[in-house]
Amino acid sequence: DTGVSQDPRHKITKRGQNVTFRCDPISEHNRLYWYRQTLGQGPEFLTYFQNEAQLEKSRLLSDRFSAERPKGSFSTLEIQRTEQGDSAMYLCASSLGAAGVETQYFGPGTRLLVL
Amino acid sequence: AQRVTQPEKLLSVFKGAPVELKCNYSYSGSPELFWYVQYSRQRLQLLLRHISRESIKGFTADLNKGETSFHLKKPFAQEEDSAMYYCALSPGSARQLTFGSGTQLTVLP
Repeated sequence: DTGVSQDPRHKITKRGQNVTFRCDPISEHNRLYWYRQTLGQGPEFLTYFQNEAQLEKSRLLSDRFSAERPKGSFSTLEIQRTEQGDSAMYLCASSLGAAGVETQYFGPGTRLLVL
Repeated sequence: AQRVTQPEKLLSVFKGAPVELKCNYSYSGSPELFWYVQYSRQRLQLLLRHISRESIKGFTADLNKGETSFHLKKPFAQEEDSAMYYCALSPGSARQLTFGSGTQLTVLP
């Protein structure tokens, strides 16, 4: 499968713990996005990278959240001191940014449950 | 700020009947509009985008700037069309997508 992959697919943690998710984009895609989706809602944008540069962050991304894409390939999203409100599906998407309209390809998501 | 509204959370139609999934948006500029679909146990995938003016799996969507709508239509629904459909908007100057809350379409036999 050469699509976007995410690891882990599921994560259960206790309130106050730190968690880290990984996203591997489609190779050669220079843009990578993180979204969060809660029950009954559409995905909400969190942040995006062009290569290794983090170009945009949503106000949803509190200071407990940090994302990196150190070599412009895979990305990690870390949540520190998790809260029950962080329970959600975390989606990663990648695209090949170029002139014209780009298509974002989504991964399967990481479902987080904070107890 | 941009916003996408999908007024119907659930929509059921019979096989062979026409289907229309509504999407309204608010954005002051010229947005790019998309429909994404998520079939059961599959990942979110692009169905179509307004700029391509294409028909995918028999679905079409027309951007109506006057009514700020981008409704998704299909003249004859099939059971395999049952899925969650999301309308999404991308501002011209930025890349992130703003999604609606989705419409769960069920096509009954």
